Amino acid sequence: EDQVTQSPEALRLQEGESSSLNCSYTVSGLRGLFWYRQDPGKGPEFLFTLYSAGEEKEKERLKATLTKKESFLHITAPKPEDSATYLCAVQAEEYGNKLVFGAGTILRVKS
Amino acid sequence: SAVISQKPSRDICQRGTSLTIQCQVDSQVTMMFWYRQQPGQSLTLIATANQGSEATYESGFVIDKFPISRPNLTFSTLTVSNMSPEDSSIYLCSAGTGTETQYFGPGTRLLVL
Repeated sequence: EDQVTQSPEALRLQEGESSSLNCSYTVSGLRGLFWYRQDPGKGPEFLFTLYSAGEEKEKERLKATLTKKESFLHITAPKPEDSATYLCAVQAEEYGNKLVFGAGTILRVKS
Repeated sequence: SAVISQKPSRDICQRGTSLTIQCQVDSQVTMMFWYRQQPGQSLTLIATANQGSEATYESGFVIDKFPISRPNLTFSTLTVSNMSPEDSSIYLCSAGTGTETQYFGPGTRLLVL
């Protein structure tokens, strides 16, 4: 059973077309939920950490939110340079300090 | 944040040989980890590199195949031993402090022929 599920698997947007990516999790004792961006051929780049339900964080066109069962990464007025794979990972008491990753969402923004 | 470098960035190896990947962090960190990312897939944890003691391996990964060293708080190596084409992958090092954010290196792209 997957502990971390991301949807959709892939998303195509027109430049300026806002949307959201979802990350749902079933772990117990959440310590933190992490969002990363990964460009082809590169390592994941850290975006946000969320620790408790109701928490929100923003960076440029990205906003991450957290509930007790899922997190959303909202992308407002995306640009082609936002195209990447977005990875969600959770750290939970049952896993110690390990990160458990979702499969990722591939985002393509067309101009 | 921590800045992490890896060497080599990529390599092409013959089956049956071994490759050692180095990971250097620009500051002292508590935790260092090694991941594998197969083409088109997400990250899978291989092991936690423990300073001064043996690494902790995840299910499906064994020390004989992936020996790990961590001689100090800023450096670790992962060796991929007796390689086969199935070992072709991206190998990533990450580092962090306890429950804080893990930062990743740029990865090592390995192709085994």
